Amino acid sequence: EPEVTQTPSHQVTQMGQEVILRCVPISNHLYFYWYRQILGQKVEFLVSFYNNEISEKSEIFDDQFSVERPDGSNFTLKIRSTKLEDSAMYFCASRESGGPEAFFGQGTRLTVV
Amino acid sequence: AQSVTQLGSHVSVSEGALVLLRCNYSSSVPPYLFWYVQYPNQGLQLLLKYTTGATLVKGINGFEAEFKKSETSFHLTKPSAHMSDAAEYFCAVSYNQGGKLIFGQGTELSVKP
Repeated sequence: EPEVTQTPSHQVTQMGQEVILRCVPISNHLYFYWYRQILGQKVEFLVSFYNNEISEKSEIFDDQFSVERPDGSNFTLKIRSTKLEDSAMYFCASRESGGPEAFFGQGTRLTVV
Repeated sequence: AQSVTQLGSHVSVSEGALVLLRCNYSSSVPPYLFWYVQYPNQGLQLLLKYTTGATLVKGINGFEAEFKKSETSFHLTKPSAHMSDAAEYFCAVSYNQGGKLIFGQGTELSVKP
């Protein structure tokens, strides 16, 4: 069964460093998303991406964040200068054009120290 | 602002007992409705969804949910709990087919032997 894959599963980084979280969405999907879940809190929307551009972003998604689809398969989230409060589980999701449901990856646990 | 409320952050049931997890949304426009399950250290897996049509929807693992427009609710039920149902359950809504998911705060289900 096709699935969304995310790498790495765990990432530890020092405050101020740049991190790139990688995702391979399901191959025929056209809509891509990043969400995050701070420990013990709800899952929060960060950004949606369609047709090679951001279609919607939340207040959390400030200038420190960027997304890119560098080739036909990968979808990345970059955090330029990480802060302690960026520590969270980051989920990538994708959706096909005809269906309302999003399929999620296993997540990348980011720890900023 | 649109929101999703899950009543009860923790629910504990005995094995074989009825599971009822509550979800209400705030909107006069019926959204697309979803339940996701998150097992420990794993990603989000879709349990079931409501888009249009029959208001009682069946999902995986014996779960079902009923959309009640008059109550703006989408409660999740399972007639008989199993130990393997222990997980965190998230209700989510979206208001258009490409749109972001808005999550509730989650309900942790414990199943006692």
